[in-house]
Amino acid sequence: EVQLVESGGGLVQPGGSLRLSCAASGFTFSSYWMNWVRQAPGKGLEWVANIKQDGSEKYYVDSVKGRFTISRDNAKNSLFLQMNSLRAEDTAVYYCAREYRAANRDWGQGTLVTVSS
Amino acid sequence: QSALTQPASVSGSPGQSITISCTGTSSDVGSYNLVSWYQHHPGKAPKLMIYEVSKRPSGVSNRFSGSKSGNTASLTISGLQAEDEADYYCCSYAGSSTYVFGTGTKVTVL
Repeated sequence: EVQLVESGGGLVQPGGSLRLSCAASGFTFSSYWMNWVRQAPGKGLEWVANIKQDGSEKYYVDSVKGRFTISRDNAKNSLFLQMNSLRAEDTAVYYCAREYRAANRDWGQGTLVTVSS
Repeated sequence: QSALTQPASVSGSPGQSITISCTGTSSDVGSYNLVSWYQHHPGKAPKLMIYEVSKRPSGVSNRFSGSKSGNTASLTISGLQAEDEADYYCCSYAGSSTYVFGTGTKVTVL
């Protein structure tokens, strides 16, 4: 059974940093692109970033470029999202998802990030 | 990277069919047969319902079907059931390994 478990969310002040983690199990982690998707309170889903199987390619939505960094550790079946210079508008539930055939096949339960003073 | 446009809400009675539209541009929906649809019950993980415009993952009811014409993709739910009440999102590949989601549609079963 595929399992994705996010952690690392919490309350952070504007301008602060946070590192999210996603522990993967039940599939060959190193064989799949992985994504981060977020949902702000009362808003829709938004694709944030993705990373190729070997970490050689990374892509971001414009609003987080230069502030967020996606990475992975295939030896530890883990996905990460380093978030710097956080803004109020980054407040959201962040989901990690396994990508398959250009779709997010499996999702975690999400971790809440709140940016507020 | 503008969000795809979906109706805010769609409703139907049990047993009826409803269709949710997802309108993009020639740079996303119109250029790729890589549209997916997700069902999202608040507080739970989203669930993939359709991928590559019209394909259903194993375990998804055949009451859910997808299609595309030009810059608009559609999700049809036939034989509407109470458990189908949820938020639904489309998502399209937008080139250069990026993706864009739709604005979301709240489905209400009357």
